[in-house]
Amino acid sequence: QVQLQESGPGLVKPSQTLSLSCTVSGGSISSGGYYWSWVRQYPGKGLEWIGYIFYTGSTYYTPSLKSRITISLDTSKNQFSLKLTSVTAADTAIYYCAREGGWSGVGFDPWGQGTLVTVSS
Amino acid sequence: EIVLTQSPDTLSLSPGERATLSCRASQSVSNYLAWYQQKPGQAPRLLIYDANKRATGIPARFSGSGSGTDFTLIISSLEPEDFAVYYCQQRSNWPPQFTFGPGTKVEI
Repeated sequence: QVQLQESGPGLVKPSQTLSLSCTVSGGSISSGGYYWSWVRQYPGKGLEWIGYIFYTGSTYYTPSLKSRITISLDTSKNQFSLKLTSVTAADTAIYYCAREGGWSGVGFDPWGQGTLVTVSS
Repeated sequence: EIVLTQSPDTLSLSPGERATLSCRASQSVSNYLAWYQQKPGQAPRLLIYDANKRATGIPARFSGSGSGTDFTLIISSLEPEDFAVYYCQQRSNWPPQFTFGPGTKVEI
């Protein structure tokens, strides 16, 4: 079965770039019509979808973050990555990577375990 | 952007009781709706996709219904492990975008 695992620094300084990777195991990131996504959650709060990359490489980002976000695909490593520039304390959150069903149906499954990223000097 | 609202904010019930959770979309999402369960310290778990289809391994006590703008998640008889926060999520048609509802907490 497909599994996802986030990796990256847990602490980022203000104004710097947050960089996370999501490694996919148990299946190819290039197969099927899935939306490989990033979702974040402020501690104790709700969920916010922030963007996806389709298996073809096309991307879509939530409008509020569009100017700061890049999601890319590395098929050789079976990974996709998130870069969020000019971070502030407001970007402190748990970041999840997840696969959205696309052609197979609406819904994010599976999810990574999540990684807490704190923005602080 | 399509906005999802969930009601109630909190549902206080006892094991064995029936839970009814609602999710309303600001405009029609057809059947492009999913439900999740989240427990503290864990990632969300997909329960229902396409409004009414149970995800793999989800017990039959969970059921989803609705289409258009009004959706319902029913837990027919609460088990102790069902006390958690539940989110709905929609996918808009084109280009695909996703939003989550604010969540309903089901507490003992």
